[in-house]
Amino acid sequence: NAGVTQTPKFQVLKTGQSMTLQCAQDMNHEYMSWYRQDPGMGLRLIHYSVGAGITDQGEVPNGYNVSRSTTEDFPLRLLSAAPSQTSVYFCASSPYMRVSGPEKLFFGSGTQLSVL
Amino acid sequence: AQTVTQSQPEMSVQEAETVTLSCTYDTSESNYYLFWYKQPPSRQMILVIRQEAYKQQNATENRFSVNFQKAAKSFSLKISDSQLGDTAMYFCAFTASWGKLQFGAGTQVVVTP
Repeated sequence: NAGVTQTPKFQVLKTGQSMTLQCAQDMNHEYMSWYRQDPGMGLRLIHYSVGAGITDQGEVPNGYNVSRSTTEDFPLRLLSAAPSQTSVYFCASSPYMRVSGPEKLFFGSGTQLSVL
Repeated sequence: AQTVTQSQPEMSVQEAETVTLSCTYDTSESNYYLFWYKQPPSRQMILVIRQEAYKQQNATENRFSVNFQKAAKSFSLKISDSQLGDTAMYFCAFTASWGKLQFGAGTQVVVTP
């Protein structure tokens, strides 16, 4: 059981380049999300999805796009990378999406992204 | 705005001792989940403990326990019999609103021999 798989683990981009961070889960979770982690700021929600074809914005969505065509996959796209997007990115999924929110997040191992 | 505040950026504790991490949050919701996550140097996020707001009984997981005070919007974590492997960043979080999990800035715990 692989859980939540993120690729790549490390990436260096130049300003203006585009790329996609991949996230896949094999637990049949309805809920998937992307966070960025910056020193002193904890984890901040970028985008989330409550099922295939359904996505919504989090706290810091600008500069990022997502789509959810299958239950398993939730890629995060940077259309034109900026130095301010240098961060560690985490994908997380959760079962049992209820009224009060995701019950328990399972995290991927993270992607360290540097934008020069 | 719904926020999570961890007022202790860093705490140091000796092996076998007890340390308590504080967390306060702000929400107008009546039903939500609260979490403590641990992030060791490996960067992996690990769920330590979870509390459902409608349950008055404090959650416990082995050496980890919480003191949940709903009226005060406080959710502290106690680590008993601290071990070197407990050295990590600890994040408090709660389900601020539908679909969203809000995290605090974290508390770095250092366990010394």
